[in-house]
Amino acid sequence: AAGVIQSPRHLIKEKRETATLKCYPIPRHDTVYWYQQGPGQDPQFLISFYEKMQSDKGSIPDRFSAQQFSDYHSELNMSSLELGDSALYFCASSPSLKDEQYFGPGTRLTVT
Amino acid sequence: SQQGEEDPQALSIQEGENATMNCSYKTSINNLQWYRQNSGRGLVHLILIRSNEREKHSGRLRVTLDTSKKSSSLLITASRAADTASYFCATGFMDTGRRALTFGSGTRLQVQP
Repeated sequence: AAGVIQSPRHLIKEKRETATLKCYPIPRHDTVYWYQQGPGQDPQFLISFYEKMQSDKGSIPDRFSAQQFSDYHSELNMSSLELGDSALYFCASSPSLKDEQYFGPGTRLTVT
Repeated sequence: SQQGEEDPQALSIQEGENATMNCSYKTSINNLQWYRQNSGRGLVHLILIRSNEREKHSGRLRVTLDTSKKSSSLLITASRAADTASYFCATGFMDTGRRALTFGSGTRLQVQP
């Protein structure tokens, strides 16, 4: 069965640089969620999209932005990167009106 | 954690034994889900229990939910070395249609062969 695809899997950036993370949801899933998991931490919700519109916002810094495109894939744009942004970034998708979320393998971002 | 705590934080058992992990949460919920995470990997959905359910089974997994105590437990029976992972509970809300998950702090389970 198709799973959530995230790219890249690993990313190394320097402070103040920008990064773009991509997420391709499971086919026919119209809702995408982004989570951030710091080292040894639990995942924290950043932002979600439903049918290409932002549906909810969590603890996403103003330096980050995201969008969902017409093909339902989503991108998380991160600017002015800080050391504290080093984390695993997960994308999850779900079909309409379902509570279960299906997570991708994550993108490990390291900011040096 | 924003939502609550899981205990124990770490658990080490022998293969064949049962493992019980507990989760507490703070606010009203619509559902509670358990996820598994192998070290540095993605989260795998294990089981979902709704607020009007008290117990649910899936294979070797048994989940209970006590909404009066705002707590849940995950029991893994006859554990295997392959069950070694971190286990997170996550709560889902329905107010204003929000479905984003709020995770607990996780339990690291080590199953010794």
